[in-house]
Amino acid sequence: QVQLHQWGAGLLKPSETLSLTCSVYGGSFSDYYWSWIRQPPGEGLEWIGEINHSGSTNYNPSLKSRVTISVDTSKNQFSLKLNSVTAADTAMYYCARGPTAAGHDFDYWGQGTLVTVSS
Amino acid sequence: DVVMTQSPLSLPVTLGQPASISCRSSQSLVHSDGNTYLSWFQQRPGQSPRRLIYKVSNRDSGVPDRFSGSGSGTDFTLTISRVEAEDVGIYYCMQGTHWYTFGLGTKLEIK
Repeated sequence: QVQLHQWGAGLLKPSETLSLTCSVYGGSFSDYYWSWIRQPPGEGLEWIGEINHSGSTNYNPSLKSRVTISVDTSKNQFSLKLNSVTAADTAMYYCARGPTAAGHDFDYWGQGTLVTVSS
Repeated sequence: DVVMTQSPLSLPVTLGQPASISCRSSQSLVHSDGNTYLSWFQQRPGQSPRRLIYKVSNRDSGVPDRFSGSGSGTDFTLTISRVEAEDVGIYYCMQGTHWYTFGLGTKLEIK
């Protein structure tokens, strides 16, 4: 059974850097891409970016200038950094497995981390 | 970006009755490999999204067979044949053909 567990700071001030990490348990870490997805309060879901075990990344163009996703294969973990946050970055952030080869989507999700940006 | 438009945004349903959610994309979702990458997710209150359907009509393991997906090109539908209390939540469609974008969601509630 695949499980994703994520953690990181939940309260940030404007201009600070958001930092989250996701640990993967079960399944094959190296056979998949791994993504970050966010959901602002009352809004829809937005894909942030993806990484594979070798460190190859793709980012949503709308966030690309501020996002870095990295991987630590020795720990089956991947991480998200988002620079220069503003109130617009307040959201529930999810890590997820995917996009999958079968569905080009996300089949396992972390529990979510609510990140609030406020002065 | 491919825009995914869901309707209705709110769906009150009587227990045991059917329910349908529509999802339309601003571009065809037929990929160059011939597949159509349209998925449906369920998000129960306080939970993370859960994938129900992938590639239009393929049900995930453990998903009840009262859930079905259909459609092609730019027009897709999620159908619940008989709504049960545990189906309450928000349903999202998502396209994976042109990167990844989600619909705004349809909130299903029991009348």
